[in-house]
Amino acid sequence: DTEVTQTPKHLVMGMTNKKSLKCEQHMGHRAMYWYKQKAKKPPELMFVYSYEKLSINESVPSRFSPECPNSSLLNLHLHALQPEDSALYLCASSLDFTHTDTQYFGPGTRLTVL
Amino acid sequence: GENVEQHPSTLSVQEGDSAVIKCTYSDSASNYFPWYKQELGKRPQLIIDIRSNVGEKKDQRIAVTLNKTAKHFSLHITETQPEDSAVYFCAANILTGGGNKLTFGTGTQLKVEL
Repeated sequence: DTEVTQTPKHLVMGMTNKKSLKCEQHMGHRAMYWYKQKAKKPPELMFVYSYEKLSINESVPSRFSPECPNSSLLNLHLHALQPEDSALYLCASSLDFTHTDTQYFGPGTRLTVL
Repeated sequence: GENVEQHPSTLSVQEGDSAVIKCTYSDSASNYFPWYKQELGKRPQLIIDIRSNVGEKKDQRIAVTLNKTAKHFSLHITETQPEDSAVYFCAANILTGGGNKLTFGTGTQLKVEL
């Protein structure tokens, strides 16, 4: 398996809802990333997990809560989001965060917050 | 903070012509420079990358050059085809948090016209 997968593809949620985004890879990668991408903009890094431990939090609001249950899975828990949080959320993985390894992106979850 | 500048923001070429996209980076410690292609509604996909121990790398119609002294790198696409139409992002690695994160340029919308 040489792909990063993400579910769901699309998500619409209200500001009071709680939802989760899921990401999975079976390439044996030990680094996993969450990015946020607005239309016509580059991906913005949110979180980095290395060997299942949180290595980077780019000052992301606490309404976004990442979780790495094991080396293949990465979740992003969402709660009390704002309309401006509507974006494409991309997961990525690479072999090792300490090396300059290629990052492979998943297809993303298109999130709309009403 | 460390950043990557990318030019032009839009580029329109005739099929068969060449296209050149340029990026500059600010962190002299950066040593890995990937280029991603993102088609509308799709995930970013790595098309080529270069490390600081080489000055040029080529893969069929795509080439990347790196000038470490001037801190800039460029993507060259020859014999452009309509399927090359997409947004292209350059990136540079930043050493932080015990590893390497990517900082992306602002993107170039390439349109190849028939």
